[in-house]
Amino acid sequence: NAGVMQNPRHLVRRRGQEARLRCSPMKGHSHVYWYRQLPEEGLKFMVYLQKENIIDESGMPKERFSAEFPKEGPSILRIQQVVRGDSAAYFCASSPPTRMDYGYTFGSGTRLTVV
Amino acid sequence: GEDVEQSLFLSVREGDSSVINCTYTDSSSTYLYWYKQEPGAGLQLLTYIFSNMDMKQDQRLTVLLNKKDKHLSLRIADTQTGDSAIYFCAESPGYSSASKIIFGSGTRLSIRP
Repeated sequence: NAGVMQNPRHLVRRRGQEARLRCSPMKGHSHVYWYRQLPEEGLKFMVYLQKENIIDESGMPKERFSAEFPKEGPSILRIQQVVRGDSAAYFCASSPPTRMDYGYTFGSGTRLTVV
Repeated sequence: GEDVEQSLFLSVREGDSSVINCTYTDSSSTYLYWYKQEPGAGLQLLTYIFSNMDMKQDQRLTVLLNKKDKHLSLRIADTQTGDSAIYFCAESPGYSSASKIIFGSGTRLSIRP
């Protein structure tokens, strides 16, 4: 039973390009969460999605960032026109629809570097 | 509002106990967690405690919860070099349905020989 799969592990983009980060949740998990970790900082919540629905996007920057979790396929976090300040590790986590006693399962993250 | 705070650094001698402290503000928190992050890796759930408990022990790990003061601690007995990592305290209000987890900034634990 594979864990949460994120790809790519490392992504380098030039300023102004688009970054697309992918996350496949654990089997049986229908809820996906994206977090951002800036260098030497903690994890900041970005967005919480179920299949075809955004449940909570209170942590998403208002511009350039979007997320989706389609009926088929992985969840995608999309950053348009990247800037240097977007350089961070982006973690995806998943959970089943009920019960939180085992928290989330995290992926290994995508480390985005904007040059 | 939701806020989780913890000290940034802790240094202990190998073989001693480590105690990492955390405070949170959300009184509706149902689950409180401790996660571990090793360099370049994702987060690994170490242990959790339900809000109606005040202590939980799991091998070398002891979690203490003071709900009145909204204070959570993680004690690691007989700290080893492999325990060097960042430890995140986190809280969630969810019980019967999934919900977002709020993380602290992490405590970087370093081990002295």
